[in-house]
Amino acid sequence: EPEVTQTPSHQVTQMGQEVILRCVPISNHLYFYWYRQILGQKVEFLVSFYNNEISEKSEIFDDQFSVERPDGSNFTLKIRSTKLEDSAMYFCASSEGQGLNSPLHFGNGTRLTVT
Amino acid sequence: KNQVEQSPQSLIILEGKNCTLQCNYTVSPFSNLRWYKQDTGRGPVSLTIMTFSENTKSNGRYTATLDADTKQSSLHITASQLSDSASYICVVPYSSASKIIFGSGTRLSIRP
Repeated sequence: EPEVTQTPSHQVTQMGQEVILRCVPISNHLYFYWYRQILGQKVEFLVSFYNNEISEKSEIFDDQFSVERPDGSNFTLKIRSTKLEDSAMYFCASSEGQGLNSPLHFGNGTRLTVT
Repeated sequence: KNQVEQSPQSLIILEGKNCTLQCNYTVSPFSNLRWYKQDTGRGPVSLTIMTFSENTKSNGRYTATLDADTKQSSLHITASQLSDSASYICVVPYSSASKIIFGSGTRLSIRP
């Protein structure tokens, strides 16, 4: 079964550094998402992306965050200047359709640790 | 306020036993409710989607129920196995697929 893949599985970075988290969504999916989960907390929506542009974003997704689909397969999340509170699991997801009945397929996440 | 509440927060049962996890939601308008299984350190995996008109849906040893009147859903696991140890998350989207409310999950541990 096709799956969403994320790299790296674990990223350690110093505060203030830039990080790029990478995702390869399922090939025939058109809608892409980033979520994060701080340890012990709920999964939180960050941003959705369709047709090469952001379709929705949450309050968490401030100017420090950006997303890009640099080619036909990758979908990246960049954090420009990481803060300690950015430490979390970051999940990429994709879906075939945008409708409410279209299930999300999640990757296994990147654990980001900011020191 | 749109919310999804799950209970219990954690549950420990012996292998082979059955269990039921609960989800209460106050999300409007309601379209569907999803149960996800999240193994430690992994992404959530969809178990089932319940739409407004469905009362019961089974996926192997997992059976989900939905009562749209009381805004409650349950996930029943039959004949539990060690591999069922995971967090089970109730998820309800509203207004768009992007605006999804995640419950806090039930942490299920199966003991041999």
